[in-house]
Amino acid sequence: EIVLTQSPGTLSLSPGERATLSCRASQSVSSSQLAWYQQKRGQAPRLLIYGASSRATGIPDRFSGSGSGTDFTLTISRLEPEDFAVYYCQQYDNSPITFGQGTRLEIK
Amino acid sequence: EVQLVESGGGLVLPGGSLRLSCAASGFTFSSYWMNWVRQAPGKGLEWVANIKEDGSEQYYVGSLRGRFTVSRDNAKNSLYLQMNSLRAEDTAVYYCARTNYFDSSGYAFDIWGQGTMVTVSS
Repeated sequence: EIVLTQSPGTLSLSPGERATLSCRASQSVSSSQLAWYQQKRGQAPRLLIYGASSRATGIPDRFSGSGSGTDFTLTISRLEPEDFAVYYCQQYDNSPITFGQGTRLEIK
Repeated sequence: EVQLVESGGGLVLPGGSLRLSCAASGFTFSSYWMNWVRQAPGKGLEWVANIKEDGSEQYYVGSLRGRFTVSRDNAKNSLYLQMNSLRAEDTAVYYCARTNYFDSSGYAFDIWGQGTMVTVSS
């Protein structure tokens, strides 16, 4: 099973700042099989990034993904108030499909 | 509108059974792999199971194999999760989600339902 470890666990930033979230895999993951999701309190997750770097439909361009192998990054260039939420990475490369434990992005 | 709507959650005794349903609309249900994902209160996301477009293949997270069964009825545009021998640790919101294949950019869960809560307690 591929274990995804996200860091930091909690990130405290202010609107307008840049956020950098990390996802590290226990073994190499094909870039095409790495996705990022956003989940707000009381809501279902929403797909942000697929294929490590492709934005899903309707996702603002302030969200970007990068990385390969075992290290992947989600960057939010300038935080908007609605961006404060929990973010999960996911791999679809090996069964079972696994998610990271999440990074909580909170307002400083 | 592309939509997934779960139902069937509720309170069940330890050792009991429950069947969740997920109704799909707005897309050709029979063309997509489908998934169940769960989230225990205050915890992260855990993939539970998925099923191939025609129902011929199913995969499960190892810890649940044998107790949970995923199935689908393409004529009814519906996905199901039969849960048996339920335990307190199965308490969670259960989401259904669609797998989309983005050409060379791989797979991801692009559509999610709102979730249905399952509580296992005496």
